[in-house]
Amino acid sequence: SQQGEEDPQALSIQEGENATMNCSYKTSINNLQWYRQNSGRGLVHLILIRSNEREKHSGRLRVTLDTSKKSSSLLITASRAADTASYFCATGRDTGFQKLVFGTGTRLLVSP
Amino acid sequence: DTGVSQDPRHKITKRGQNVTFRCDPISEHNRLYWYRQTLGQGPEFLTYFQNEAQLEKSRLLSDRFSAERPKGSFSTLEIQRTEQGDSAMYLCASSLAGEEAFFGQGTRLTVV
Repeated sequence: SQQGEEDPQALSIQEGENATMNCSYKTSINNLQWYRQNSGRGLVHLILIRSNEREKHSGRLRVTLDTSKKSSSLLITASRAADTASYFCATGRDTGFQKLVFGTGTRLLVSP
Repeated sequence: DTGVSQDPRHKITKRGQNVTFRCDPISEHNRLYWYRQTLGQGPEFLTYFQNEAQLEKSRLLSDRFSAERPKGSFSTLEIQRTEQGDSAMYLCASSLAGEEAFFGQGTRLTVV
């Protein structure tokens, strides 16, 4: 079963706009990771945030983590058509990343 | 190519046949994972190896499924007596201890 939910399930924006996706999870975690998946392809690792961190940046990506609310958000700034993909959050319960539990994903469509 | 490699990329098989998939991890990674992803869902954990030892198996991995990682390098996932419900994308990932997991492009299985 999935650990949590991404919200929204689908998001459609114009190039240049910002995209915000949210992830909620159910159990305590050690870390949370965001992945991107283009249609029918493998997963690309975007960013990892640990449970003792509140915010991380990587290029146009900004991730926040609120462990008290068991939620995370992914912000993509100045979106591009190439950002069109599904985005998944995945939680790990220990430092070894033995078992990532994925959410259901947000499908992002960025129109030129 | 230094990424995770999976073979074949696509497999169509008749119900009741056996299939085997191969995963070649990033060479220095000692941890290897198998996940299964059905349409519209996030990946679900199947099993995990540290070197050649299979340390964790999901309840999703019925007795028709077997995974091996001889010599701690490549891994194989075999499904015996395939059923239509086995149709899915099978994803392999590898990592170093305590680091993020990198995924392959997956093997898409269709059971007809």
